[in-house]
Amino acid sequence: NAGVTQTPKFRILKIGQSMTLQCTQDMNHNYMYWYRQDPGMGLKLIYYSVGAGITDKGEVPNGYNVSRSTTEDFPLRLELAAPSQTSVYFCASRAGQSNQPQHFGDGTRLSIL
Amino acid sequence: TQLLEQSPQFLSIQEGENLTVYCNSSSVFSSLQWYRQEPGEGPVLLVTVVTGGEVKKLKRLTFQFGDARKDSSLHITAAQPGDTGLYLCAGGPSTGTASKLTFGTGTRLQVTL
Repeated sequence: NAGVTQTPKFRILKIGQSMTLQCTQDMNHNYMYWYRQDPGMGLKLIYYSVGAGITDKGEVPNGYNVSRSTTEDFPLRLELAAPSQTSVYFCASRAGQSNQPQHFGDGTRLSIL
Repeated sequence: TQLLEQSPQFLSIQEGENLTVYCNSSSVFSSLQWYRQEPGEGPVLLVTVVTGGEVKKLKRLTFQFGDARKDSSLHITAAQPGDTGLYLCAGGPSTGTASKLTFGTGTRLQVTL
């Protein structure tokens, strides 16, 4: 009964380092999303995917990249970490119909110092 | 860009009190979802409303979608400490791709004994 799994849960990076946040789902959902949530705020969409091989930019894509080689996995890459990217990152997936709920992972808390 | 403003931003009440959270926009949405998020976890869907004027009840929680589908409200009767959390509304666009949700700014609720 895993749902959406994100790793790691916590990470501290130095400015300029790179890393990949992992996200995998076992519900065979076509739609997947990456959000960031700054303290006390709502969610801002970084990138999303409507199926394997298809990705598109969201509201705040600068400084990030994604890929979707399989239905299950949707990794988020930070190439040159900056302090402004300190945030909590959430991955979500959704079944086909637009009114279906988005299922979220427990998040990755990322600090860049 | 569609925006969803939630009010109030913060609410601290005692057990047994009633409260209402508002979610407002100048844009029309095809549907409106409400999520609750607890510390250290991802948001979890509470309800989806799709018809203008629709009212849905979930135990002590009552959700309403505005007639013009631009706003929504969440009313909690006799709040309990277990209701504590961050409440997020999220709207599905009325035109274009139905893949993305616009999340509101969030209302943080604390219910004390």
